[in-house]
Amino acid sequence: GAGVSQSPSNKVTEKGKDVELRCDPISGHTALYWYRQSLGQGLEFLIYFQGNSAPDKSGLPSDRFSAERTGGSVSTLTIQRTQQEDSAVYLCASSSGTSGYYNEQFFGPGTRLTVL
Amino acid sequence: AQTVTQSQPEMSVQEAETVTLSCTYDTSESDYYLFWYKQPPSRQMILVIRQEAYKQQNATENRFSVNFQKAAKSFSLKISDSQLGDAAMYFCAYVEYGNKLVFGAGTILRVKS
Repeated sequence: GAGVSQSPSNKVTEKGKDVELRCDPISGHTALYWYRQSLGQGLEFLIYFQGNSAPDKSGLPSDRFSAERTGGSVSTLTIQRTQQEDSAVYLCASSSGTSGYYNEQFFGPGTRLTVL
Repeated sequence: AQTVTQSQPEMSVQEAETVTLSCTYDTSESDYYLFWYKQPPSRQMILVIRQEAYKQQNATENRFSVNFQKAAKSFSLKISDSQLGDAAMYFCAYVEYGNKLVFGAGTILRVKS
């Protein structure tokens, strides 16, 4: 596709359940980012991938959160034993990562997660 | 840690008029980039304008321009000839070498017809 896509668009789950959020970056983009947008915390960085490696996972809020990227393309963010405070919009972005400094990040439409 | 502050939770502007959104940031770095992003109700983050810290000239993109004051660590966005389609949440953001974006809390812009 032409842009970053994320699925599902909306997810409602019960407290304690596990959820998986998917991100398909722009084809050829080597860098991929996850951000979380919540009412109390604003927009915050979660994790960054370069290829399949995650050199910066400093933003993951707890060990219930994990992410992986396979084939240098699709990424999955997994939240285990969801809590109500995990309710937020999860945004994914990708960039070409071809230079060492700045590469524009293109964002997907996000997944709105609601934990009941 | 770098921080970005947007002190205006909400702003209103009359259609065709000009509005300025404020942003300040804190960093010890000398080389970095600053951005304004627009987020309409669709949630899609759209890059509006970017400024490279080593450039003294203020960036301009059509009706959007910035006032970048490096010494004061200030980066405001001016929207001229405001249009109904400009209504959205606007985020100021900072990135340094290493790629992750640090965002401000956002400013909701309402455009009145």
